Amino acid sequence: IQMTQTPSSLSASVGDRVIITCRASQTISNYLNWYQQKPGKAPKLLISAASSSQSGVPSRFSGSGYGTDFTLTISSLQPEDFATYYCQQSFSSLYTFGQGTKLETK
Amino acid sequence: EVQLLESGGGLVQPGGSLRLSCAASGFIFRNHAMHWVRQAPGKGLEWVSRITGYGGNTYYADSVKGRFTISRDNSKNTLYLQMDSLRAEDTAIYYCAQDVVGATTPVSTLTWGQGTMVTVSS
Repeated sequence: IQMTQTPSSLSASVGDRVIITCRASQTISNYLNWYQQKPGKAPKLLISAASSSQSGVPSRFSGSGYGTDFTLTISSLQPEDFATYYCQQSFSSLYTFGQGTKLETK
Repeated sequence: EVQLLESGGGLVQPGGSLRLSCAASGFIFRNHAMHWVRQAPGKGLEWVSRITGYGGNTYYADSVKGRFTISRDNSKNTLYLQMDSLRAEDTAIYYCAQDVVGATTPVSTLTWGQGTMVTVSS
């Protein structure tokens, strides 16, 4: 299953609303997770099952979608949110990731 | 607390072999599938391989199939990745990851180690 994530990079400012999209090449129900990765660190799980926020993740992060189209929304960008974000499907036994979206300061 | 500690990375020549290990603690190891995921320098995440809890089933990305072998020793709480016929494009940080099935949904997520660097170069 191919995961297509857009955009690949995004310039934004603190306080902006940011939307990242992820499209699967076939239906994956809600088997879609979102991770945040900062330089030199392992990825951190933000959202599971398309829309379930993990404990400790700020409420400004939300996920939605079902089937083939999914979104990660950051409602009001904070300085610590500048990072790279990945979607990942676990519908297939062979997991796959999107190409990543790098959030940069405008 | 879940801990995953990778080891075995290093510099190897093209065509060479390397075995990575991942020591797991803080959970019942045999109850979880385990994965290897890699990240080439400056690139995105690439899923590499998966093994079920008792090792009965293994899965590989096309890019490593036939060259890499995933295995586990549940008596030692350790995951392995045997990497043969290494190529320059295998240069990456290799992460060990625990497969965690959701408490209220069957959707699996990954819990990550800190990674070990593998460099394939002459």
